[in-house]
Amino acid sequence: EDQVTQSPEALRLQEGESSSLNCSYTVSGLRGLFWYRQDPGKGPEFLFTLYSAGEEKEKERLKATLTKKESFLHITAPKPEDSATYLCAVRTGNQFYFGTGTSLTVIP
Amino acid sequence: GAGVSQSPSNKVTEKGKDVELRCDPISGHTALYWYRQSLGQGLEFLIYFQGNSAPDKSGLPSDRFSAERTGGSVSTLTIQRTQQEDSAVYLCASSAGRGRTGELFFGEGSRLTVL
Repeated sequence: EDQVTQSPEALRLQEGESSSLNCSYTVSGLRGLFWYRQDPGKGPEFLFTLYSAGEEKEKERLKATLTKKESFLHITAPKPEDSATYLCAVRTGNQFYFGTGTSLTVIP
Repeated sequence: GAGVSQSPSNKVTEKGKDVELRCDPISGHTALYWYRQSLGQGLEFLIYFQGNSAPDKSGLPSDRFSAERTGGSVSTLTIQRTQQEDSAVYLCASSAGRGRTGELFFGEGSRLTVL
């Protein structure tokens, strides 16, 4: 069965304290792994797509990596404005399977 | 418009009433998805449209739910005889369709509250 598991469910960091969010998946025929950011009351905002093991993508303080079984979203020196829920999704065929997200709070 | 547009942003209705939620996808996007997001839950797939193909309705939770897409663009999700458990945020997303770059672009959602 295709599924996506994100950990931790919630994470509190001090401003400047780097950490990583995990997304583990089991899916047949991976056609892409996606990271999204969701702010309260808003729709998910696209961040990255990764297609193959070993691939990495970076954007500002965020870096996404992919292995055959999991993806990490590394946050370097986070700021309070990075506080949000981060969602991971995998695509197989035309279906997307989403994890339940990691709620990140960055304390000034 | 530049992004996916959904309306209404908020809808409060009484149990048993019908509701319609509208989605206007990004121009040129052939694929359109509806998801439901409940508090503390992941995104639950409802239905998928791709061009003129028959929609994938496998995620619709009951026959009270239906959706259509007119002219390959605007989509309407209809919930008949609403129940309290239908309360959730309904998210619409579009993508360029088949091919490598399959990322979804979401609207802001329609928050439905059934009293």
